[in-house]
Parts: sequence; C-alpha cells; structure tokens
Amino acid sequence: EDKVVQSPLSLVVHEGDTVTLNCSYEVTNFRSLLWYKQEKKAPTFLFMLTSSGIEKKSGRLSSILDKKELFSILNITATQTGDSAVYLCAVGGFGNEKLTFGTGTRLTIIP
Amino acid sequence: NAGVTQTPKFQVLKTGQSMTLQCAQDMNHEYMSWYRQDPGMGLRLIHYSVGAGITDQGEVPNGYNVSRSTTEDFPLRLLSAAPSQTSVYFCASSYTPQQGSGSPLHFGNGTRLTVT
Repeated sequence: EDKVVQSPLSLVVHEGDTVTLNCSYEVTNFRSLLWYKQEKKAPTFLFMLTSSGIEKKSGRLSSILDKKELFSILNITATQTGDSAVYLCAVGGFGNEKLTFGTGTRLTIIP
Repeated sequence: NAGVTQTPKFQVLKTGQSMTLQCAQDMNHEYMSWYRQDPGMGLRLIHYSVGAGITDQGEVPNGYNVSRSTTEDFPLRLLSAAPSQTSVYFCASSYTPQQGSGSPLHFGNGTRLTVT
C-alpha cells in the first residue's frame, strides 16, 4: 500500500523566515511526487517532481526530490502572510490511476 | 473559465437521508475523482472514473455510489447518510487517467457536509 508521511504537522514562523517542509513516501513503481497548496478551499497545484536532484522553482518556492532516500522537501524563502496554508504532498505510480496524499503540513506565518 | 464546479457548497443531512453531490468540469478531462478530507486524515479517495461509463472504487468507497454518463459530470450519491460521513468532499479532474503524469489534478472548491 502506498504511503506518504509529511512533517512537521504544523509550523508557526514569523514573516521573512525561511521554512522547509518534508515529505517521505513509499510507492510501487514511483512515477512522480506532487505538491499542492490548500488555503481555505480547493488545493492548488504547485510542483510535480519526477527526477532526483532537479530543483523546481516558482518565485520564493522551490522543491527537490531524492528518489534514493524517498523524500522531497518544499522550501519557502522570505515567507509572507499569504503563504499561510496547508501544504499537501502526493505520490503517483506508473500504471496507477490513484494519487496517495499525505495529511499535510499546516504553515502559519505571523506578521 | 469555470474549471471544476461542485454543488452545493454546504449541506446538512439527518441520519438516513440520501443526497447527491454534483460535480461538473468543462476542461474535457478524462479522469474524475471524489475525495473526502477529514482532520488528521488527509485527502482520501472515494471513487474515481477514467472515462464515461467507467468507474472504480478508491480507498473509502462504502456508503457512496457514483456514475459517469457523460465526460463532464461525476455525481456522488450518499445512499443513507451516517454521522461518519460528515466531512469536506472534493471533486477533482485531470486530463489523463494516469495519476502523477504531466496532468495534475484540478480540484473543485468542496462541499462541506454535516450529518446529524
């Protein structure tokens, strides 16, 4: 059974800090790992990672995958109050029509 | 630019009542799915469909039915509501059935269901 574990469960930091969110996984025939941001409503897509060591970047957010150690990190630099959200990690496998999600990390940014 | 539309946004049911949560997408996506989200449990897959006329069970299918008569619509039916079905329900779709490929899931805004 595929499994995704995210840590920490919650994190509170001050505006301007840098944060690192963790995602470890077990999946049969790994295909990709995805990060989503969930504010009050629908999760929105951030990154899809398929190869080890290649950093994906979008503004202050970046993510990298380690397929040998089976984990990914999501970094957010110079955090802003708008970064407050639940960040979800999910994995998919080849031939698999289902994504497995972790329970998420709740990030709170204090002004 | 509607994307994935879910109705209703909120619903309160009494135990034993039935209802249908509606989901429609206008992106011509082959794949559609229903998730429930509970505190501390993350998103759990209820049912999914890889195309019109094809449905399959996810992780937590009991107490729910689905059908896919058109590409656009994927309703979720609660047959006899129970308090354990109190949750936030999300419909999601993607272009390809192969999850984790180049087509990420697009989510609707959710339906908050309370069963008393």
